[in-house]
Amino acid sequence: KAGVTQTPRYLIKTRGQQVTLSCSPISGHRSVSWYQQTPGQGLQFLFEYFSETQRNKGNFPGRFSGRQFSNSRSEMNVSTLELGDSALYLCASKLSTGVETQYFGPGTRLLVL
Amino acid sequence: QQQVKQSPQSLIVQKGGISIINCAYENTAFDYFPWYQQFPGKGPALLIAIRPDVSEKKEGRFTISFNKSAKQFSLHIMDSQPGDSATYFCAASSVGSNTGKLIFGQGTTLQVKP
Repeated sequence: KAGVTQTPRYLIKTRGQQVTLSCSPISGHRSVSWYQQTPGQGLQFLFEYFSETQRNKGNFPGRFSGRQFSNSRSEMNVSTLELGDSALYLCASKLSTGVETQYFGPGTRLLVL
Repeated sequence: QQQVKQSPQSLIVQKGGISIINCAYENTAFDYFPWYQQFPGKGPALLIAIRPDVSEKKEGRFTISFNKSAKQFSLHIMDSQPGDSATYFCAASSVGSNTGKLIFGQGTTLQVKP
């Protein structure tokens, strides 16, 4: 079974731009979560989607948004990019809510200049 | 109350030695405690996990010890190998509340010297 895939793997943007990152979960997985990883703040939860509905949201500004499609693929969008948004954005999938094991993708490395 | 505190920040161990990483949590609603291993340029990979009804879980060279009353859990890597050199993250979540939100510790960078 293919793992979690994320595209693109690397991205360079400038301040003020917006960006969309994509995540394809493991086949059959319906729950997708997003995390931001930075050296200073570590791994921080952004949001969780299940059946196209946002179930949980982390403590991030409204510039960070996401959505999930009927095939469980998910996208996250960051508008009006700031230098501090430079990070590794990780997507994780699991079978369903209430299931424990989450599998992470390789991440998208975003650099904001 | 949502924090998970992890120590040490970095660890150097000789090949064949035991690596020990500790984590502490505050939220008693947490009911799932996984450990993830991350290599440079890769996403975190689940290593081993434990539920609070068990005090210890062993998988190969990796063991989680769990102390519910102290709200602490630790990862022991026996017979540490250079290939174990990576960053390790403890995490916690409240699966019982149907959320996948993982709260991560700050990470421990492990270097195993040959």
